[in-house]
Amino acid sequence: KQEVTQIPAALSVPEGENLVLNCSFTDSAIYNLQWFRQDPGKGLTSLLLIQSSQREQTSGRLNASLDKSSGRSTLYIAASQPGDSATYLCAVKETSGSRLTFGEGTQLTVNP
Amino acid sequence: GAGVSQTPSNKVTEKGKYVELRCDPISGHTALYWYRQSLGQGPEFLIYFQGTGAADDSGLPNDRFFAVRPEGSVSTLKIQRTERGDSAVYLCASSLLALSYNEQFFGPGTRLTVL
Repeated sequence: KQEVTQIPAALSVPEGENLVLNCSFTDSAIYNLQWFRQDPGKGLTSLLLIQSSQREQTSGRLNASLDKSSGRSTLYIAASQPGDSATYLCAVKETSGSRLTFGEGTQLTVNP
Repeated sequence: GAGVSQTPSNKVTEKGKYVELRCDPISGHTALYWYRQSLGQGPEFLIYFQGTGAADDSGLPNDRFFAVRPEGSVSTLKIQRTERGDSAVYLCASSLLALSYNEQFFGPGTRLTVL
């Protein structure tokens, strides 16, 4: 059974810092990995999707990398802003099905 | 609409009651997914539909949970004899097809509270 773990569970940083969120998964037979943002009381907003054949994806200040063989992904946020404060979730889609398996998330607080 | 919509946004019910949660997917999306998110946890898969049929319902926790999608668009998640442990946010997502490379787009969720 696929298990997804995110470290750290919570992170508080001052504005302007660069930061890295980590995601690991136990079964490397994935089709893709997706990073989401969730604001309190809201649904999920997709940030980046990396196909298993890709090593990284970039969008603005966000960069996500994928090392499928080691079962790891990182989300790099450059020059963090208070508006980046949210919970960040990673999810994998396995090759055998269509469901997403999520980690428990990293709660990020960026202090002004 | 432009995105996935879910109604109601909040539902408070008493233990033992029956509830229905509705999901309107993005127009033209054939695959629809239900997830459940407990406080402080990531979403957990419940069921997904390809068209009108449930292609994978292995995530439904027990037979009190049931979902339908009679016309291949709107879906309803039905919970019988609700229990306090059913309290969670129920998220719906849709994708163009159920194929692995299709991205899932999520709705805002329905927050269910069972008293």
